[in-house]
Amino acid sequence: GNSVTQMEGPVTLSEEAFLTINCTYTATGYPSLFWYVQYPGEGLQLLLKATKADDKGSNKGFEATYRKETTSFHLEKGSVQVSDSAVYFCALNYGGSQGNLIFGKGTKLSVKP
Amino acid sequence: DAGITQSPRHKVTETGTPVTLRCHQTENHRYMYWYRQDPGHGLRLIHYSYGVKDTDKGEVSDGYSVSRSKTEDFLLTLESATSSQTSVYFCAISEMGTAGNEQFFGPGTRLTVL
Repeated sequence: GNSVTQMEGPVTLSEEAFLTINCTYTATGYPSLFWYVQYPGEGLQLLLKATKADDKGSNKGFEATYRKETTSFHLEKGSVQVSDSAVYFCALNYGGSQGNLIFGKGTKLSVKP
Repeated sequence: DAGITQSPRHKVTETGTPVTLRCHQTENHRYMYWYRQDPGHGLRLIHYSYGVKDTDKGEVSDGYSVSRSKTEDFLLTLESATSSQTSVYFCAISEMGTAGNEQFFGPGTRLTVL
């Protein structure tokens, strides 16, 4: 079936460090891929998305590239800030008539000054 | 920000009591979803709706029912709450149900069943 696997946290980094959060997926067909972010006490917000192979999604300095050959969608940021501390969720949408999202378990990121 | 509100935001109840959570949107989006968030599980879909009076089950629907009598409101009911339903519940909306379409999330309801 369809599933998303992302690296387990928590991940603790110093400010200005490089960030990678790994995400791989299993899906039939051609899913769209998403990264959502959840700040403490809030709901989820879309961070970026990619809808087809080789697409790169980017937002707020974060990037992720849809790699069909490795079924991956790793999240990267070159220089993290304290304000990036949050839980990050990788998700896929395999389409159909419902547009249901399948989420990974989330990775908690803590950035220290 | 998408206009999605959830009520109540926090609720404590006892095992065996009925509970209804409300999601209200002002975006006129067709699709609405209920998820639960639990440590170690991410978010899992409970039920979704693809129009007024049109609903279907998700991955973890046992013990839950939903109703949608108006475009803007999507209700989640726990007929007889159990401790395993202690969770944070999120409502989401989407304009279309296609793969590339973004879902917008509400602020969540924290439910504790004693």
